Amino acid sequence: GENVEQHPSTLSVQEGDSAVIKCTYSDSASNYFPWYKQELGKRPQLIIDIRSNVGEKKDQRIAVTLNKTAKHFSLHITETQPEDSAVYFCAATLRAGDGLTFGKGTHLIIQP
Amino acid sequence: GAGVSQSPSNKVTEKGKDVELRCDPISGHTALYWYRQRLGQGLEFLIYFQGNSAPDKSGLPSDRFSAERTGESVSTLTIQRTQQEDSAVYLCASSPIFHEQYFGPGTRLTVT
Repeated sequence: GENVEQHPSTLSVQEGDSAVIKCTYSDSASNYFPWYKQELGKRPQLIIDIRSNVGEKKDQRIAVTLNKTAKHFSLHITETQPEDSAVYFCAATLRAGDGLTFGKGTHLIIQP
Repeated sequence: GAGVSQSPSNKVTEKGKDVELRCDPISGHTALYWYRQRLGQGLEFLIYFQGNSAPDKSGLPSDRFSAERTGESVSTLTIQRTQQEDSAVYLCASSPIFHEQYFGPGTRLTVT
């Protein structure tokens, strides 16, 4: 089955700087890659996703890039703000019935 | 509109007791997923329901776990003879189309 590795486990950046979180996946057939943000004690929230027919997708300050050849995808957050502090999870899947395979999460800390 | 809801929000039970967790998906969402999130960990896929199709139960951790869904409505996850290792947050997600999953707030299960 699919395996997703996520790095780093903790990332601390100064407010206003950019943050990059990276994930690799094992199944070259996977075709859907969402990113979720989870604040302490809250539900995971879908913040952006990308499908395998696209190399990059942007939504305001966040962007995701996908490299199918290398089997890795990354989340980029620019102009970080205190409210960006949370745990971010990447995930991958091929079929709806397989569910999402998640990485172990990155704790993003925005330093004032 | 209303999001995915789950009940109870918290459940404390004694080892060996049975528990039933409930998920109300977003109206109109045909797909429903259950995940388990252990403390400080990523999400682990358990089971998927799509319409009236029989679910694939291979992701359930043991035969003490079972799940049901009636049509495209409420789903229940039942854990029999609970063990301490079952302590986790159990999250439900529903999906309107292939892949985009929206999560409920979860049920925090503590087995003492």
